Amino acid sequence: DTGVSQDPRHKITKRGQNVTFRCDPISEHNRLYWYRQTLGQGPEFLTYFQNEAQLEKSRLLSDRFSAERPKGSFSTLEIQRTEQGDSAMYLCASSYRDFYTEAFFGQGTRLTVV
Amino acid sequence: SQQGEEDPQALSIQEGENATMNCSYKTSINNLQWYRQNSGRGLVHLILIRSNEREKHSGRLRVTLDTSKKSSSLLITASRAADTASYFCATPPGSNYKLTFGKGTLLTVNP
Repeated sequence: DTGVSQDPRHKITKRGQNVTFRCDPISEHNRLYWYRQTLGQGPEFLTYFQNEAQLEKSRLLSDRFSAERPKGSFSTLEIQRTEQGDSAMYLCASSYRDFYTEAFFGQGTRLTVV
Repeated sequence: SQQGEEDPQALSIQEGENATMNCSYKTSINNLQWYRQNSGRGLVHLILIRSNEREKHSGRLRVTLDTSKKSSSLLITASRAADTASYFCATPPGSNYKLTFGKGTLLTVNP
């Protein structure tokens, strides 16, 4: 399968714990995006990378959130000291570096903080 | 902040009918994209229309773009139960690469 894959698909964690999600983009894509989506809402932009460089971060990405993309391949999103408000679907997408190209999304990681 | 806003928020139709969803956006764009999301799943790209295009077709989908009104519409013809999903418009505002999404239209197609 050459699509975007995310791991894990589901994560239940206790409040205050740290969690890390992984995203493997389509191999030839140099742009990688993270979004967060809550029930009934559209995806909200969190951050994006071009190769290994993190080019933009949303103000939604508090200091408890950190994302990396070492060597411009897979990416990780870590949430420290999770809060109940962090419960959401975290979506990863990748695309070519081009204005006129679509983004390919993974199936998402659903995080539940209890 | 969200760039696009879809209308209506929810739409329920019978199989075989056409479904029209609208999107309004705020800033200048170089393209507008429509995505579909089945319940609890990732988003799937449907169609991209460039800012210099007015209409585009793909199978049963027809998209229009009016840059003077900052609006777009998605028409699904001869709908099927499998078209039941949320539909989002997304735009990269200005020269920015990131896609910003609206809240979506939830389409229900009843068999």
